Amino acid sequence: EAAVTQSPRSKVAVTGGKVTLSCHQTNNHDYMYWYRQDTGHGLRLIHYSYVADSTEKGDIPDGYKASRPSQENFSLILELASLSQTAVYFCASSDGTGGANERLFFGHGTKLSVL
Amino acid sequence: GDSVTQTEGQVTVSESKSLIINCTYSTTSIAYPNLFWYVRYPGEGLQLLLKVITAGQKGSSRGFEATYNKETTSFHLQKASVQESDSAVYYCALGDPGGYKVVFGSGTRLLVSP
Repeated sequence: EAAVTQSPRSKVAVTGGKVTLSCHQTNNHDYMYWYRQDTGHGLRLIHYSYVADSTEKGDIPDGYKASRPSQENFSLILELASLSQTAVYFCASSDGTGGANERLFFGHGTKLSVL
Repeated sequence: GDSVTQTEGQVTVSESKSLIINCTYSTTSIAYPNLFWYVRYPGEGLQLLLKVITAGQKGSSRGFEATYNKETTSFHLQKASVQESDSAVYYCALGDPGGYKVVFGSGTRLLVSP
């Protein structure tokens, strides 16, 4: 079974601080994604990547940066964390042409609280 | 743009009773979208429950079924007899077959009471 591991599972950060969320996949998948979920909303795409050393903006990229140093690893970086970034963050991977056609494999999620 | 609507935030059903979770979609693509149901069990990540890529067809998995209805732009999830272990959050999703993007609904939490 394909595996996507996120760390940390939860984090409390201070406003204005830097936060890095990490994701590691052992699926040998080309595509990786970062989503956020807020209560009452669906998952929204922040950044994605289809090859190492390259990232693309999703639907809500403002306030976030992403890094894909290798096929297996994909990080989400909040340079200046804000209260509005309190949410649950999910990392996912997929093969082939991406999640629109293929199955997405998700990590367990990271609950981020910015105070 | 594309969107997915799940009108119920939470549904409570007694064990062995039937279930329907509603999902409707909207797309600006000229191609018919791929439709998915994902499920998130407590403490776990989302996982694919079922997928249908052809309008008019039905997908099924673990006793759940969903039919892709392009006339009503719906993809409702049904199960004839739920179990306590089905308690989870269910997400309807839409994928643009020409692209990379998957759009998710807001999720419906299913509580199955004994």
